[in-house]
Amino acid sequence: QQQVKQSPQSLIVQKGGISIINCAYENTAFDYFPWYQQFPGKGPALLIAIRPDVSEKKEGRFTISFNKSAKQFSLHIMDSQPGDSATYFCAAMEAGTALIFGKGTTLSVSS
Amino acid sequence: NAGVTQTPKFQVLKTGQSMTLQCAQDMNHNSMYWYRQDPGMGLRLIYYSASEGTTDKGEVPNGYNVSRLNKREFSLRLESAAPSQTSVYFCASSEGLGYSYNEQFFGPGTRLTVL
Repeated sequence: QQQVKQSPQSLIVQKGGISIINCAYENTAFDYFPWYQQFPGKGPALLIAIRPDVSEKKEGRFTISFNKSAKQFSLHIMDSQPGDSATYFCAAMEAGTALIFGKGTTLSVSS
Repeated sequence: NAGVTQTPKFQVLKTGQSMTLQCAQDMNHNSMYWYRQDPGMGLRLIYYSASEGTTDKGEVPNGYNVSRLNKREFSLRLESAAPSQTSVYFCASSEGLGYSYNEQFFGPGTRLTVL
């Protein structure tokens, strides 16, 4: 059973556009939702994270939107740039258990 | 600081061969992890170590063994490699004891091919 469902699998966005990646989960005990960014040939790195006590968190051009009732959260990348081209993983965890990753979204930003 | 380092970067094995993937971190982290990454499968936890001398199985531990040699080093061993173990392996570390909300820092990965 896939605990964190991520979509789309791949995404192509024009430079300056908005990239949106969605994740859904079933386990209502999840209480930490990070996003990791991975460039080709590199390891993933934490991009931004949110706890369920807030509905939105923004860091620069990156925003997490969180909908607790729908059990969904999403990453929005505003003014997408070619340098944002990477694979993005959502993840979720509940206290005391392992972080569960989504399957990833490959983002390509065309110039 | 080098962060998390992994050796080797690339490895080709024949079925049945054994090898050990090495990982070290210089951030004084307690927790260390081994993941495998396969196309379309995301990152799956193989083993976790909360501290020196302790290890826990993750989602996909079969065919692997680990050793937390000291606080810095966490190795992953394949005793008898199989083609299904062809993957990219990542080591990670984080502060805190036990699974926590702390950021995980990843190494650059080892790309392993088993023929």
